[in-house]
Amino acid sequence: GAVVSQHPSWVICKSGTSVKIECRSLDFQATTMFWYRQFPKQSLMLMATSNEGSKATYEQGVEKDKFLINHASLTLSTLTVTSAHPEDSSFYICSVREGAEYNEQFFGPGTRLTVL
Amino acid sequence: GNSVTQMEGPVTLSEEAFLTINCTYTATGYPSLFWYVQYPGEGLQLLLKATKADDKGSNKGFEATYRKETTSFHLEKGSVQVSDSAVYFCALMKAAGNKLTFGGGTRVLVKP
Repeated sequence: GAVVSQHPSWVICKSGTSVKIECRSLDFQATTMFWYRQFPKQSLMLMATSNEGSKATYEQGVEKDKFLINHASLTLSTLTVTSAHPEDSSFYICSVREGAEYNEQFFGPGTRLTVL
Repeated sequence: GNSVTQMEGPVTLSEEAFLTINCTYTATGYPSLFWYVQYPGEGLQLLLKATKADDKGSNKGFEATYRKETTSFHLEKGSVQVSDSAVYFCALMKAAGNKLTFGGGTRVLVKP
């Protein structure tokens, strides 16, 4: 399956700053990537679908101005948490859609964001 | 809407014990069903999947059968190892290319 990397793996920032998280598909050209958020000991919640060359599709309740997604190439999508606050502290995970029927997703290792 | 319900953990068992993690879903039609595993410090990995009723997915000694009549996809392993300690997520996908809906996850701890 596809190999997906994320950078950084862990970031600590001060409240009010912006943080950019990268998601790279290392061996597959991904027209679609997904961004999830995982709270401690909880499940993954889809935040948005990132489409190469077009605007991301956000899930209901996700602030698109706060969580900026850019999918500028077939191997890279970025998530920028703008003006981060402590409540944005979470584990952010991206995935790549692959498979003949596009029914498989391969996940990155995740990025842990801590906002002080 | 679509939803997935799985048993809450943590589940603690001894090595070589039998493991079952219950998963039921709510969705119209015939979604594809998945089990993902998240080992400590790692990302989610696809463990197994089934795309139609009565299909059995299997991998690494784990099995799950797609039961349309009971809307279930229970995960089983006959003899667990310490290395199976992880969080297991049941998930469904309504249509090809569509988004995944995850259950709450079940943490499994296997003691030697």
